[in-house]
Amino acid sequence: DTGVSQNPRHKITKRGQNVTFRCDPISEHNRLYWYRQTLGQGPEFLTYFQNEAQLEKSRLLSDRFSAERPKGSFSTLEIQRTEQGDSAMYLCASSSGTSQNTEAFFGQGTRLTVV
Amino acid sequence: AQSVTQLDSQVPVFEEAPVELRCNYSSSVSVYLFWYVQYPNQGLQLLLKYLSGSTLVKGINGFEAEFNKSQTSFHLRKPSVHISDTAEYFCAVSLFRAAGNKLTFGGGTRVLVKP
Repeated sequence: DTGVSQNPRHKITKRGQNVTFRCDPISEHNRLYWYRQTLGQGPEFLTYFQNEAQLEKSRLLSDRFSAERPKGSFSTLEIQRTEQGDSAMYLCASSSGTSQNTEAFFGQGTRLTVV
Repeated sequence: AQSVTQLDSQVPVFEEAPVELRCNYSSSVSVYLFWYVQYPNQGLQLLLKYLSGSTLVKGINGFEAEFNKSQTSFHLRKPSVHISDTAEYFCAVSLFRAAGNKLTFGGGTRVLVKP
């Protein structure tokens, strides 16, 4: 399978714990995005990388959230001191090239439940 | 800032009947328009996109959408639905010529196809 891969698929954690999610994009894609989707809502943009550079961060990304993309390959999203409001599906997407109109391919997401 | 409104949160429809999902957007600059489908516990899959040119866009699985600039709408249609079309559908926009492909999504429309 050469699609976008996210791990783990599900994560249950206690409030206050730290969690880290991983995204492996399609191999030739230089752009990588993180979105958050809460129940009954559309995905909301969190952050965007072009290669290893993090070019944009949403105001939704509080200082408890950090994302990295070392060497411009896989990416990690860490949430520190999790809160119940962090419970959501975290989606990763990737796209290729530098033109505006290239399609973004989404992974299956990591569902986080904070108890 | 741009926004997307999907006017119907749920649309029940009988198998082989037509369906229309409504999407309106707001933006101070030109946008690209997309429809994505999300099956249960899956990521998002692109159905179709409008970038420029003909305002009637055909996508996968028999779906089509029409861009109406004066009404700032991008409604999705299918003339005859199947049980397998039961899913959640998201309309999204990205800004013309903006860096990256950051998407702003609507709240989604859940389609339930009944036999």
